[in-house]
Order: sequence, then C-alpha cells, then structure tokens
Amino acid sequence: DVVLTQTPPTLSATIGQSVSISCRSSQSLLHSNGNTYLNWLLQRPGQPPQLLIYLVSRLESGVPNRFSGSGSGTDFTLKISGVEAEDLGVYYCVQSTHAPYTFGAGTKLELK
Amino acid sequence: QVQLQQSGAELAKPGSSVKISCKASGYTFTSYYISWIKQTTGQGLEYIGYINTGSGGTNYNEKFKGKATLTVDKSSSTAFMQLSSLTPDDSAVYYCARGVIPGYWGQGVMVTVSS
Repeated sequence: DVVLTQTPPTLSATIGQSVSISCRSSQSLLHSNGNTYLNWLLQRPGQPPQLLIYLVSRLESGVPNRFSGSGSGTDFTLKISGVEAEDLGVYYCVQSTHAPYTFGAGTKLELK
Repeated sequence: QVQLQQSGAELAKPGSSVKISCKASGYTFTSYYISWIKQTTGQGLEYIGYINTGSGGTNYNEKFKGKATLTVDKSSSTAFMQLSSLTPDDSAVYYCARGVIPGYWGQGVMVTVSS
C-alpha cells in the first residue's frame, strides 16, 4: 500500500501567520491517465472531514483561496496564507491514484 | 444542498452484524460513487471501498473484503454498508462520502462492539 508521510505532526500558528504542511508518498502518485490524485482534507473538532483541495492544486468549491496546494510525483505541500481561527483542526492528505486509497496520519493545526 | 444523512450509533455484540445507511439528497444520486471510510484513534482514516451507485459495482480495499458489504437502493437514494463478524477492532466511526475523491461527507456513525 502507498504510505503517505505528513510533516509536521503538529503545527502551532498565530492568526495571520502563513504555514505549510508536507505530504510525501512512498511512490509516485502520477496516474497512467496523466492525473495526480493527491487531495487534502480538513477535519475540525467533532466534525467529519471536508475536502479542501483535489488533484494536487484544485480548490474545492467554497474553500477560501488562502488555501493552496502544490507538488508532483511524491512530494506535495498544502499552504495556508494567513491562518484564521476557523482553520484549526487536523489536515490529512489522501491519495486516490493507487488502490487501496490511503490517508496520511494527519497534521494538527493549533493556536500558538 | 448536498447532504449525506447517516443512520444512528450502533452498539453490537462480538460476532454479530450491523448495517449502516447513508441517504443522499440535493443531487442526482447515480451521478456519483459513494465511498466508505473508517476512522479510529489508533489507525486514523482507512478507505474501505466504494460503490458505483448506478450499476451497484463495488471496489473494496483488500483489508475489508469479507468484513464490509456495500449496496445501494437507487429508489431511495440510499447506500448501505454491512459489517459482519464484528470484533472489538471494528469499533470506529464510519463515514460515507460522495465520490471516489471524497467530497461531501456524512456525519459519521459510531459503531461500538462490546459484550
């Protein structure tokens, strides 16, 4: 199975600070069809996860543009440009290129 | 608006089965697959599999073959997951989500397996 390694496991930030989360894959996530199925989720406390970004860098409808995704192959990054209070929670990367689809262990974003 | 409404919490005995439902609304049910995901504190998020809501075709994570059975009822826009031969390791929150790339998620169902 593809292993997704997220760093850091915990991130402390102040409101307005920009932060980045890394997701590294044990194998390339480039699909034979040319797409790279690396997505990012946010799970707020007590809530189900919500999709933020799909296909590496495409923003899900309704997601603020302070969120951005980048990367290719095995290395991916989620950036939040100016953290807001509503952004606190656990961020997960998830790949849907190789079966079985797998999730990273999560990065908890908390207030400093 | 898109909603996935899941059934309520389950308390089950070891060796028994439970069937969780996921009722979709706000979109054309057969236009999107339904995925199922397991969440535990220890193992994190695990992808169980998905079902083609139009054809009923399924794709399972090997780990959950024989444990989970995915079905749909198109007439009621509802997806189901049956978990069989329950053990304490099956205690978790189970989510349904729209799409293979899980966009909209249900609220989750807590399944507790205990004697």
